[in-house]
Amino acid sequence: GEDVEQSLFLSVREGDSSVINCTYTDSSSTYLYWYKQEPGAGLQLLTYIFSNMDMKQDQRLTVLLNKKDKHLSLRIADTQTGDSAIYFCAETYNTGFQKLVFGTGTRLLVSP
Amino acid sequence: GAGVSQTPSNKVTEKGKYVELRCDPISGHTALYWYRQSLGQGPEFLIYFQGTGAADDSGLPNDRFFAVRPEGSVSTLKIQRTERGDSAVYLCAGSGREQYFGPGTRLTVT
Repeated sequence: GEDVEQSLFLSVREGDSSVINCTYTDSSSTYLYWYKQEPGAGLQLLTYIFSNMDMKQDQRLTVLLNKKDKHLSLRIADTQTGDSAIYFCAETYNTGFQKLVFGTGTRLLVSP
Repeated sequence: GAGVSQTPSNKVTEKGKYVELRCDPISGHTALYWYRQSLGQGPEFLIYFQGTGAADDSGLPNDRFFAVRPEGSVSTLKIQRTERGDSAVYLCAGSGREQYFGPGTRLTVT
């Protein structure tokens, strides 16, 4: 079955690292994504990882995938106030098209 | 255009009315998706188009919901006899491997 879970809320201070966690249940996931949603805005794709990878780094973002535990994390280095938003992880399958299954989102609050 | 656009940005309608929501995807994106995002939730898949045809409509909640994409570009999501539970943000995305989302239409049914 398809189920993606995230913690609801994370609060950090500016300059610290943030780690947002996600767990999923379907081992047939092919790609796993992180999206950012700011208030009143659409979803912005931040990064994604293929399921046969363990890690992907992109500037301040590091994605770690533990396929055995079905655990995905997004680390944001040197978190800024502009990083305050809701972060969604999402998975998709090798179904021939990219139906995304989203988690409920983690609200990140960065305080100065 | 440079990105996915959706109109209207906001729609308020009375219970029982019919509404149409429009999505204009990035030129050349043959795949188009509709999602619905309720308050405090992640987006949920509604329907997927490949070209002009609906390849998967398994996410449509009931037969009051229908979507078309007659020329393989612009898509319209149609909701008949709206109910208060239909209130949500309706998101459209076009893609290859990466899905690019529009800003959404916030539908409020009073």
